[in-house]
Amino acid sequence: ILNVEQSPQSLHVQEGDSTNFTCSFPSSNFYALHWYRWETAKSPEALFVMTLNGDEKKKGRISATLNTKEGYSYLYIKGSQPEDSATYLCAWGQGGKLIFGQGTELSVKP
Amino acid sequence: ETGVTQTPRHLVMGMTNKKSLKCEQHLGHNAMYWYKQSAKKPLELMFVYNFKEQTENNSVPSRFSPECPNSSHLFLHLHTLQPEDSALYLCASSQGHQTYEQYFGPGTRLTVT
Repeated sequence: ILNVEQSPQSLHVQEGDSTNFTCSFPSSNFYALHWYRWETAKSPEALFVMTLNGDEKKKGRISATLNTKEGYSYLYIKGSQPEDSATYLCAWGQGGKLIFGQGTELSVKP
Repeated sequence: ETGVTQTPRHLVMGMTNKKSLKCEQHLGHNAMYWYKQSAKKPLELMFVYNFKEQTENNSVPSRFSPECPNSSHLFLHLHTLQPEDSALYLCASSQGHQTYEQYFGPGTRLTVT
């Protein structure tokens, strides 16, 4: 079984805090690593698609890094805001399909 | 608005009913997907279509029958479902396969009674 693991499962932070999550995936047969944000009552929204070892991507206050050799990716949020509250999903691309982790649920309190 | 629409948004059906879920994408993408989200479980891929051809069936029971008449439309036909099939069913599309981001619809919340 090829699993994608995310930690922590949930996170509660104060507005202004910086935070990070981890996604672990099998390091063999790597094609791509995706990050999505899923707000309640909305559709999952793509944040990043990363394909190269050592890749770093940034979108506003959110950034991500990728280590394909050891099989992990980090997602960072700088200065969390209440509107960042959502579930953050990572997905490992392999053989034409995505395998999703269970997500990290982030709650940012004003 | 992601450019992917799904109907209906909510569906309640009995175990002997036959119903269909519809997905339409307005993005010109070549690949379309069905996912299942059960409570407390990761998003689970069900089917993948690429240029209208099915390229992945993730060991889905035959009571779920997909149909892709063209690259813009995807259906999921449901018959004799079980209560454990109650879940959120999401459709997605992408320009290509795993190196391209996927665009998701809002989902259909299905309840099987």
